Amino acid sequence: QSALTQPASVSGSPGQSITISCTGTSSDVGSYNLVSWYQQHPGKAPKLMIYEGSKRPSGVSNRFSGSKSGNTASLTISGLQAEDEADYYCCSYAGRVFGTGTKVTVL
Amino acid sequence: QVQLQESGPGLVKPSETLSLTCTVSGGSISSYYWSWIRQPPGKGLEWIGYIYYSGSTNYNPSLKSRVTISVDTSKNQFSLKLSSVTAADTAVYYCARVKTGAVAGSSLRKYYFDYWGQGTLVTVSS
Repeated sequence: QSALTQPASVSGSPGQSITISCTGTSSDVGSYNLVSWYQQHPGKAPKLMIYEGSKRPSGVSNRFSGSKSGNTASLTISGLQAEDEADYYCCSYAGRVFGTGTKVTVL
Repeated sequence: QVQLQESGPGLVKPSETLSLTCTVSGGSISSYYWSWIRQPPGKGLEWIGYIYYSGSTNYNPSLKSRVTISVDTSKNQFSLKLSSVTAADTAVYYCARVKTGAVAGSSLRKYYFDYWGQGTLVTVSS
């Protein structure tokens, strides 16, 4: 199965909102709103930010939100902060296929 | 708080077998799925496979012929073996706990990774 498609990079200024897309097919992303999202700072392990499409684990800021439209899932970061600068990966509901990854830059 | 720690050689010769162990602390290995995921330098994440505490496994088709994941519940550990390695297997290898459940209205199951180890770099080189 092919990797889910994400933009290589997204940038924004502090305080702004940005959205990262994750495009799959009707048989994965399109079927269920169950994508998970992970944040990875350089040299660190990935951290779960969103699961089952839109749920946040305990301790994750409510500035992070997830949604889905058609075959594309999205991660929105509102009130962008310097600490949000990292790589972000989506993952299919079956946990077997990751997205290509998006580097978020805070200008 | 569940913690995972990978251990094993950081250097493996081409054609040999890569062996890593993940030790789980702060919780039992029972009743969960566990996974190995890798990340080549400067690249994205690749799922390697899952194991249930009972021993049932599921592997990435692209690696299936070379991968074995096993579990030792008495030691709260699970392990990865990847045979016939090449330079393309050079990567940071992560172990992770898997949360899973039924997808409402279907026979499918949903998975996501809620706890991760810090990762260990394995270099394949002579």
